[in-house]
Amino acid sequence: DAGITQSPRYKITETGRQVTLMCHQTWSHSYMFWYRQDLGHGLRLIYYSAAADITDKGEVSDGYVVSRSKTENFPLTLESATRSQTSVYFCASSESGSSYEQYFGPGTRLTVT
Amino acid sequence: SQQGEEDPQALSIQEGENATMNCSYKTSINNLQWYRQNSGRGLVHLILIRSNEREKHSGRLRVTLDTSKKSSSLLITASRAADTASYFCATDSGNTPLVFGKGTRLSVIA
Repeated sequence: DAGITQSPRYKITETGRQVTLMCHQTWSHSYMFWYRQDLGHGLRLIYYSAAADITDKGEVSDGYVVSRSKTENFPLTLESATRSQTSVYFCASSESGSSYEQYFGPGTRLTVT
Repeated sequence: SQQGEEDPQALSIQEGENATMNCSYKTSINNLQWYRQNSGRGLVHLILIRSNEREKHSGRLRVTLDTSKKSSSLLITASRAADTASYFCATDSGNTPLVFGKGTRLSVIA
């Protein structure tokens, strides 16, 4: 199916474990983004990528790692999960930079115990 | 660093009424976008207004932009229960990615 998908949709993990959240888009959009959404903080940018092999940090990048070897995939890894990383994570893509609308995935709800 | 701030944080209206949400921002922008988020879903783009535009319409949505006051408003006319959602503004300052506000939660009561 065309669009932007995220997996898993729900994940429970323990403190200290490594977790990878997957994001896949079928539009061949250049830009991809990872956000986290927490009550009281709105949507905050973790990392973004302008093209394959090009990534940049966002506002809250500490504790996260990304890669983009293929245009369509943009996985987000929590190297050693902490309770403060419990959140809902959204992946998004856009045709170009911030002057264009972003298309969001359905989100991954991550709980770190 | 939050650029856009929505006001009010929450709004409850009756079906058929108009809903107005406001967004204020701090620095100059190239464009401002509004998004809707239904409970448990990702954000959906509603409308984009460029800095040289003052008003834009899309169906029952009307967006205004006042760059002198660094503010924008989103008006939903003749609201429906299906409009119940959170609404976010996002600002583009040109050299950074979009920055989202914290959102306005709209409840439309049937």
